[in-house]
Parts: sequence; C-alpha cells; structure tokens
Amino acid sequence: AQSVTQPDIHITVSEGASLELRCNYSYGATPYLFWYVQSPGQGLQLLLKYFSGDTLVQGIKGFEAEFKRSQSSFNLRKPSVHWSDAAEYFCAVAPYNNNDMRFGAGTRLTVKP
Amino acid sequence: EAGVAQSPRYKIIEKRQSVAFWCNPISGHATLYWYQQILGQGPKLLIQFQNNGVVDDSQLPKDRFSAERLKGVDSTLKIQPAKLEDSAVYLCASSPEGQGRETQYFGPGTRLLVL
Repeated sequence: AQSVTQPDIHITVSEGASLELRCNYSYGATPYLFWYVQSPGQGLQLLLKYFSGDTLVQGIKGFEAEFKRSQSSFNLRKPSVHWSDAAEYFCAVAPYNNNDMRFGAGTRLTVKP
Repeated sequence: EAGVAQSPRYKIIEKRQSVAFWCNPISGHATLYWYQQILGQGPKLLIQFQNNGVVDDSQLPKDRFSAERLKGVDSTLKIQPAKLEDSAVYLCASSPEGQGRETQYFGPGTRLLVL
C-alpha cells in the first residue's frame, strides 16, 4: 500500500543549529516528492519538490532536500535554523501517472532561542 | 496576485447541525481541491474539481458531505449533519490549467469544531 511516514512528531532545535526532518515513502515506483510548511493559522506553502534529475533539490527559505532511492527517503535539511522556521512540516508524495497525493502526518518544529 | 480565499476562518457548531464553507480560488485556476486536515494528521483530499466537473471524490463521505462548483470559479463544501469526528481544518487549494497537484496553492483553511 502507498504510504508516507514522517517518523518524528516533534523536533526542537536551537536557533542557528542545523535541521534534518525525515520522510520515508512506500510506493511502487519513484513518485513526485514534496515538502510543505504550515505556519499556525496558515495554509500550506510549498518549500520544494522533486520530479527527476539531480537528487539534491534546493527550495525556498534556505531549505534543501535529498532524494535517496535506495532508502526511499526524501529528508529535508537546513544548515542554520531561524526562529521564524518554527512551524509544521509535511512531506507529500504523488505518483507520476495520476493525481493522487498523500501527505505524511507532519513534524512540528520548535526553535529555541 | 490574490491568493486562495476561504471563509469563514472559524466555525463552532453542535453535532447534527449543518455547516458550509466557501472557497474562492486564484483567478484563472481551473482546478480546485478540498482537503480535510484532522489535528495531528496531514491533509486528506476530499474532492477535486476541474472547472465545474468532479475529477475525484473517492474519499468524500457522500452520506453527509457535498460540494459544488457551479460556475467553475468559487466552491462550497457542506456537511449535513455534522459529527464530532468532522472537527478539522478544511483546506481549499487551486492549481492552473494543465498542472496537477504538484502546483497547487493553498488557502488559510476553515477550522471547524463540532461539539
């Protein structure tokens, strides 16, 4: 069955520290992969997406993600976290040949001063 | 460019009552989506419209949920009667013609609490 797993429900990092949010998927073939961010009371904003090609994808706000086929993972990273990055982060996958899109349960990021 | 608009932003009702949510997508966007986001979960697609036609409503609980997009622009999602488990944030999103869910823009959502 198709699934998206974000193993970490909640992560706390200090401002200026590096960040990695994990995402694993289970699909029959390599799907399209996405990371979204949701600030309190706001809709989802697309950070980055991977369709094909270079497995290291650059996104907005200084985020990047790396697709690893062998591990079925698409982890999100940022070298230095800012207090404004505190939010909920969702990984999502969509098969290339249809419109089905599945979201993970999300990881809530808290940033300590 | 104006974003996806939704109203109301918050709604509190009692179970068995009815409720309706409104969404106005980005101008010119042909595709409109409604998602349900239960606390602690990711969004789940309820229904997808292409202009005024339904593309996918496989996860819409049709015994109580209905949605329409009569003129291919704004859309209304209704719940009748509401249950406690319908408490969630209802997100609307839209995407341009010819582009799928990989290019969707989300509204701020309507937070529903059913008591």
